[in-house]
Amino acid sequence: AQSVTQLGSHVSVSEGALVLLRCNYSSSVPPYLFWYVQYPNQGLQLLLKYTTGATLVKGINGFEAEFKKSETSFHLTKPSAHMSDAAEYFCAVSDEGSGNTGKLIFGQGTTLQVKP
Amino acid sequence: NAGVTQTPKFQVLKTGQSMTLQCAQDMNHNSMYWYRQDPGMGLRLIYYSASEGTTDKGEVPNGYNVSRLNKREFSLRLESAAPSQTSVYFCASRMITGGNTEAFFGQGTRLTVV
Repeated sequence: AQSVTQLGSHVSVSEGALVLLRCNYSSSVPPYLFWYVQYPNQGLQLLLKYTTGATLVKGINGFEAEFKKSETSFHLTKPSAHMSDAAEYFCAVSDEGSGNTGKLIFGQGTTLQVKP
Repeated sequence: NAGVTQTPKFQVLKTGQSMTLQCAQDMNHNSMYWYRQDPGMGLRLIYYSASEGTTDKGEVPNGYNVSRLNKREFSLRLESAAPSQTSVYFCASRMITGGNTEAFFGQGTRLTVV
């Protein structure tokens, strides 16, 4: 069965610094991977997704993620943090191993704090 | 374009009371999901409906029931609320076409059981 692990429940960076949020997955089949962002008191919004093909995926708000099969990782990065990036970020994998149900399996989430 | 709409946004229940959380999507998606979000635990799947007319248990189904009323609507019922069901509940929908489609989420229902 697929699973997702996000390393670090809280990450704090200074404004303008590099953002790196880590995600490792476990999947017995080629994975479909997603990063979602949740701003306070809101639902989840898609940042980016990996399906197949290019391993570097660009998303909204300057975020990107690199799929590394050898490391089973899909880390999220942004070169320069902005105050508005403060939110909770979730990595998810589509559960393709149990039929065409479309279930998404989420990591525990990482809260990003951006300091001025 | 409303997307996924959940009602209510907030609710306080007493232990033992029942309630139904409503969810509707207007994107003609075939699959719908109910998740709960608790601090440090991410989102956990309660129930899902892969297609109209079918429902299945997710990771944490105990204490809940669901109804896929039609293609648009998927409700979650708590028959006898318990304090452990205090959580934020999210409904999501997705068009399943092979795994590479995103799920769309509602704004959530914040439920407190006292």
